[in-house]
Amino acid sequence: QKEVEQNSGPLSVPEGAIASLNCTYSDRGSQSFFWYRQYSGKSPELIMFIYSNGDKEDGRFTAQLNKASQYVSLLIRDSQPSDSATYLCAVNTGNQFYFGTGTSLTVIP
Amino acid sequence: ETGVTQSPTHLIKTRGQQVTLRCSSQSGHNTVSWYQQALGQGPQFIFQYYREEENGRGNFPPRFSGLQFPNYSSELNVNALELDDSALYLCALRGTGGYTFGSGTRLTVV
Repeated sequence: QKEVEQNSGPLSVPEGAIASLNCTYSDRGSQSFFWYRQYSGKSPELIMFIYSNGDKEDGRFTAQLNKASQYVSLLIRDSQPSDSATYLCAVNTGNQFYFGTGTSLTVIP
Repeated sequence: ETGVTQSPTHLIKTRGQQVTLRCSSQSGHNTVSWYQQALGQGPQFIFQYYREEENGRGNFPPRFSGLQFPNYSSELNVNALELDDSALYLCALRGTGGYTFGSGTRLTVV
């Protein structure tokens, strides 16, 4: 079992819609959770992080964490074509840092 | 522009050779981690350094080694290169808001 799992997609949503990206992790001791966006040929850039159960909002982005279900998600409201990228979920467990394989998102104008 | 500089940006090496990749930033960060990202995959954690000591390691063989210097710059060394080592190598510096990645070094082993 992989430490972090994501649906590879591709996920397509129309412009203005809500995109929902999901991630599960295997280690219950994981402490912090990150969402990164990666454009083709570029390095990952941090969108947001979350440590506590519940929701955390930053502009059009909302991260949701449920530690009991070992589940973290990212919602993107009012999706824009510029949001088209691969979204990587990352989990920090002790001094280990694990990424999922990423979900490819396409926002259709 | 992330403020994290990696060099070189691209590199071609022959199987069996050794390579050194570098990472630095304008501001000091005492925690640096290195990742290998193969095409179409997520980054794989290689190791992490905190104040010049390795304090975390992923599932990579000992021929992957590193250093962190007093000025918090860092190196990744890979010995006895194999074809499968061809990948994008990323360093990330830990700040209060999470890890910030450099632009990476694209290594091709032929």
